[in-house]
Amino acid sequence: EAQVTQNPRYLITVTGKKLTVTCSQNMNHEYMSWYRQDPGLGLRQIYYSMNVEVTDKGDVPEGYKVSRKEKRNFPLILESPSPNQTSLYFCASSFSWGATEAFFGQGTRLTVV
Amino acid sequence: DQQVKQNSPSLSVQEGRISILNCDYTNSMFDYFLWYKKYPAEGPTFLISISSIKDKNEDGRFTVFLNKSAKHLSLHIVPSQPGDSAVYFCGAFGNEKLTFGTGTRLTIIP
Repeated sequence: EAQVTQNPRYLITVTGKKLTVTCSQNMNHEYMSWYRQDPGLGLRQIYYSMNVEVTDKGDVPEGYKVSRKEKRNFPLILESPSPNQTSLYFCASSFSWGATEAFFGQGTRLTVV
Repeated sequence: DQQVKQNSPSLSVQEGRISILNCDYTNSMFDYFLWYKKYPAEGPTFLISISSIKDKNEDGRFTVFLNKSAKHLSLHIVPSQPGDSAVYFCGAFGNEKLTFGTGTRLTIIP
């Protein structure tokens, strides 16, 4: 089954404790991205990657890092999480950067206390 | 600066009637426009898209209209069904990025 898998689905952590949210897709997609969803702000892009070893900042990259060492994986790293990073995070992938349809994971609800 | 705007946070429609969701954008360089549907506790799923060179695209009960001169697009759902109750995000693709609006919560009243 074609899918984008994120882990964990839920995470509560403390300020400053490094964490990684994993994202994996099994569709051989080139384009992957991370979004955060906040009330009243919709979905905002954090980082995106057009292919292996190619990443770029989205609209709200501060406080986040990503890497794309393999085509299927695109982890989101929070080196020193802060309470304003409490949010619902989605990973997405699509066949290419020009493709119109993106497939989303089920989301990771992160709470930073 | 919000490049894609959905000015109605919520909309309620009677089952069987037409639902019209609206979206405005400011960047004339967008190439594609898309609508995504999101149920609680799930990721958004793709619904329908339209290229910037077209003004209408239809898929079953869903039709998207694009008015480039007004920088406005709309999603029509006819007839509306209870399963259509969800949050709908308008998205615009351009310059390597997919930008979303803030979403409209559609509630279909049986």
